[in-house]
Parts: sequence; C-alpha cells; structure tokens
Amino acid sequence: NAGVMQNPRHLVRRRGQEARLRCSPMKGHSHVYWYRQLPEEGLKFMVYLQKENIIDESGMPKERFSAEFPKEGPSILRIQQVVRGDSAAYFCASSPARSEGVFFGQGTRLTVV
Amino acid sequence: GESVGLHLPTLSVQEGDNSIINCAYSNSASDYFIWYKQESGKGPQFIIDIRSNMDKRQGQRVTVLLNKTVKHLSLQIAATQPGDSAVYFCAEKTRGNNRLAFGKGNQVVVIP
Repeated sequence: NAGVMQNPRHLVRRRGQEARLRCSPMKGHSHVYWYRQLPEEGLKFMVYLQKENIIDESGMPKERFSAEFPKEGPSILRIQQVVRGDSAAYFCASSPARSEGVFFGQGTRLTVV
Repeated sequence: GESVGLHLPTLSVQEGDNSIINCAYSNSASDYFIWYKQESGKGPQFIIDIRSNMDKRQGQRVTVLLNKTVKHLSLQIAATQPGDSAVYFCAEKTRGNNRLAFGKGNQVVVIP
C-alpha cells in the first residue's frame, strides 16, 4: 500500500520560471492538502482539495499560486513566475475523510536560483 | 488567532529513558490532534492521533495524553531509541475546519 507520492523530490527553477509539483494521494483517499515548510519552521497550510473541487484555499498566496485535483491523475500545485522567496519544502498530505488521519508525502524541495 | 506551540525547543534524552514532549494549544474548539515525527529531509510521519472525547491513547511505545481543561497535549515515548531522534510536531484540527495547524516543532536528541 503505497503512501502519498510526490514528485519531483527536488526541483530547481530560475526566477521567473514555472514550478509544477505533483502529488498522488494514498489509495482510497479523496482529500488532498498542500503545506509549505520553511527551514526550522512548522508546516503552513496552503490549500485543501477534493476531486475536481477546491474546498479551502485560504492559505494560498493570491497571486502566482494555483492548485488542482482533477478527476483523473495527481493533484498539481503550480507556482508561476517563481521568486527566491518561494524556495521551500512543499508537502502534500491526504486523508480518506475530513476528520480521519492525515498522512504526508516526502515533499518536494523547491530551490529558486 | 489559533496557535499551537511547543514548550521546549530541544529535548536531550538518554537512550533507554522515557521522553515527554509537551504541546499547548489555544483553540478550545479543536477536537482532533495528531503527533508527527519528522526526520531531516523527510516528510512528517504520522505517529498517533487522539480525539477530544478521549484523554489518553496508547500506541507502540507511545502514549498521547490530552488535557482539555488546560489545553495541553503530550507525547510520551517509552524506552527512547536513537531512531527516535527527530523533530516532533503536534497538530490540531477544529471541527468544521479542514486544515491542520502546526506548531514550530520540538527537537528530540537521543544520546547513546
């Protein structure tokens, strides 16, 4: 039973490029969450999605960031025109329902140069 | 606003001893809590969870205690091993809210 799968594990982008982070939830999980973690800090909520629906995006920056969870395929976190301040570890998590256990992937470490 | 905080930034513990990691939360409406372990370069690993209608829950070598009166959560690790060295986060979820709120973490260092 594979866990939450994220790819790529490491991503380097130049300022102004686009970053696409992918997340496949655990089998049977229909809820996906994205979090961002800066060094030496905790995880900050970004967005919560169910299939084809964004449920809560209150933690997402208003510009350049978007997320989707299509009917088929992985959830995608997209960052357009990246800046140095976007460098962080981005974690995806999934759960079978709102109040059940939330399980995390290994993260994508984005470095903007 | 909501906040979840950990009392001690670093805990050094002798191998074989028991560890206790504490966490304070401020939102009395929080009804679900999870402890995570995060090793360097890895994602948070689910350790144990507890709902607000319980005050204690045990797992393998771990026990979580919840005191709703003082809004305090603790994680006890029995017979701490070198592999337990990591950063530990408590996280809370509020009824009707989808997000987990995390504190900054507590580093546990196991001394062989």
